Amino acid sequence: LAKTTQPISMDSYEGQEVNITCSHNNIATNDYITWYQQFPSQGPRFIIQGYKTKVTNEVASLFIPADRKSSTLSLPRVSLSDTAVYYCLVGDIRSRGKLIFGQGTELSVKP
Amino acid sequence: EPEVTQTPSHQVTQMGQEVILRCVPISNHLYFYWYRQILGQKVEFLVSFYNNEISEKSEIFDDQFSVERPDGSNFTLKIRSTKLEDSAMYFCASSSGQGNNSPLHFGNGTRLTVT
Repeated sequence: LAKTTQPISMDSYEGQEVNITCSHNNIATNDYITWYQQFPSQGPRFIIQGYKTKVTNEVASLFIPADRKSSTLSLPRVSLSDTAVYYCLVGDIRSRGKLIFGQGTELSVKP
Repeated sequence: EPEVTQTPSHQVTQMGQEVILRCVPISNHLYFYWYRQILGQKVEFLVSFYNNEISEKSEIFDDQFSVERPDGSNFTLKIRSTKLEDSAMYFCASSSGQGNNSPLHFGNGTRLTVT
């Protein structure tokens, strides 16, 4: 399973764009990149998933370079409610096996 | 939007007792998972389940743990004889496993406290 590396923490202010980068140097051909958000005492919540290039949905964008060895989650105009832990996961979602969570990035949004 | 539901939200038990944590996955999902999170630590994989059998399990998932899908809707985690170190949030998750976009959907967890 591909191991991921993320910054442990990040600070931001309301209204700013936040970019969280995840390294996954040994990503496999069949692996997808998935990002989750977790608030205290809640289960992880799916944000976005991608395989290559750029994916955008109503809450975030995911940028994946051609070599796929890293990915960047972009949160536009964050608010206080975006304060959470963000996890980058890499795995073959069709494998029926496990997805491994790393330490995640604790994002703190300040007023 | 359909969601994974877990009961109870909080369970307190004495060391050595058996506990069963219950989950109702999203109805058309085929893959089921249990994860746990000890306070202040990362989310840890326990077990994955598909087609009425365990697909993969971690080192944490020893003989004290078992999973079952007793009917068409429930997915349970049983801890046979709880230990103090089993105190954690236990999250159930499910996925459809179909196509290129089948992320895991998590419940809000059961907080297990072993005294």
